[in-house]
Amino acid sequence: DGGITQSPKYLFRKEGQNVTLSCEQNLNHDAMYWYRQDPGQGLRLIYYSQIVNDFQKGDIAEGYSVSREKKESFPLTVTSAQKNPTAFYLCASSRQGALDTEAFFGQGTRLTVV
Amino acid sequence: AQSVTQLDSHVSVSEGTPVLLRCNYSSSYSPSLFWYVQHPNKGLQLLLKYTSAATLVKGINGFEAEFKKSETSFHLTKPSAHMSDAAEYFCVVRTGGSYIPTFGRGTSLIVHP
Repeated sequence: DGGITQSPKYLFRKEGQNVTLSCEQNLNHDAMYWYRQDPGQGLRLIYYSQIVNDFQKGDIAEGYSVSREKKESFPLTVTSAQKNPTAFYLCASSRQGALDTEAFFGQGTRLTVV
Repeated sequence: AQSVTQLDSHVSVSEGTPVLLRCNYSSSYSPSLFWYVQHPNKGLQLLLKYTSAATLVKGINGFEAEFKKSETSFHLTKPSAHMSDAAEYFCVVRTGGSYIPTFGRGTSLIVHP
């Protein structure tokens, strides 16, 4: 079945540590996105990529980094520079340039700082 | 620029009564509009979408929404709430100026027995 897989489902980070969240899709979508979800704030865009080897900062990119070496994969690294990383992280993908199609979402990763 | 405003952070209804979740959008281009539902600690599931065809859109689980350009609104309705409808609902806009899905802050639907 086609879809988006995020792993792990739960992740714990110590202070000063970098962690990487995985996102893989087999929908053959060009565009991929990372969102951060906090209670009452909806989903805020961290980074997005419209094509392999290219990505752009979203609204809250500070303290995060991404790569897009393959069409199927868009990992997100939460660096030690991110001072408040505890949140629910959602990865999504969509067809590029097709307004009438929706974005598809993974099941999310909940990151907690311990 | 594009944006979405969900007018209520929480909506509380009794089971069997109608549901209305309100959404207004702002866009310099003709928009595509979407409603998603999210159950606790889960990803987002598409309920329905408007893409410049019929202004009244029917979705899954008995939900529907009407696109009103004059009011820049895309409100979500359901005639009769079910306990399983309790969840977070997000209104989303995409336009030709950006293509990036932009989210509202969400509305939490509470359904009382």
